[in-house]
Amino acid sequence: DAKTTQPNSMESNEEEPVHLPCNHSTISGTDYIHWYRQLPSQGPEYVIHGLTSNVNNRMASLAIAEDRKSSTLILHRATLRDAAVYYCILTFEKLTFGTGTRLTIIP
Amino acid sequence: GAVVSQHPSWVICKSGTSVKIECRSLDFQATTMFWYRQFPKQSLMLMATSNEGSKATYEQGVEKDKFLINHASLTLSTLTVTSAHPEDSSFYICSAGTGAAAALGNYGYTFGSGTRLTVV
Repeated sequence: DAKTTQPNSMESNEEEPVHLPCNHSTISGTDYIHWYRQLPSQGPEYVIHGLTSNVNNRMASLAIAEDRKSSTLILHRATLRDAAVYYCILTFEKLTFGTGTRLTIIP
Repeated sequence: GAVVSQHPSWVICKSGTSVKIECRSLDFQATTMFWYRQFPKQSLMLMATSNEGSKATYEQGVEKDKFLINHASLTLSTLTVTSAHPEDSSFYICSAGTGAAAALGNYGYTFGSGTRLTVV
């Protein structure tokens, strides 16, 4: 499986945008880029996914580099409820989680 | 939106007994389900992939005779931890997807809320 690299932790101020980076230099042409987040003692929650083009939904935006070797999850206005571990996953047929980024929101 | 119900949310069992965890897709047909386990402060570890009506595919190092997975219908998959021991204590999570799009990755998977298993 192609690997992803994310920073272990990030902090952001409440009500400010957050940019969570993910490197995936060995991505293959069939891999979709998925983002999930997990709050303590809960199952992960789907955030967004894409293949080549940037994607927007009600939760976030996904910016994908032209060469697809990196992507950025954008939370446009962070709230305290966005504090979670965010996982960037490359998926083709199965979901394999890496270590993720622990996002802390500062009030 | 898609909902996956996982039951029980927590269970305590004696060493040597078996425990069954259920994962149900409530409002969609789940052709593919994944089972994970998660130790404290660690990421999710994929245990197996199950497709409705066929045998589960286990990840390397996961004992298929110990972790029995059944995906007999499009809405239900079960994980049975047989002859549980304290080292099996963990947080078990299922996720479900549907259709060919899910198999190709063009689908957001829905996760259950997890089952915390404690073996004493």
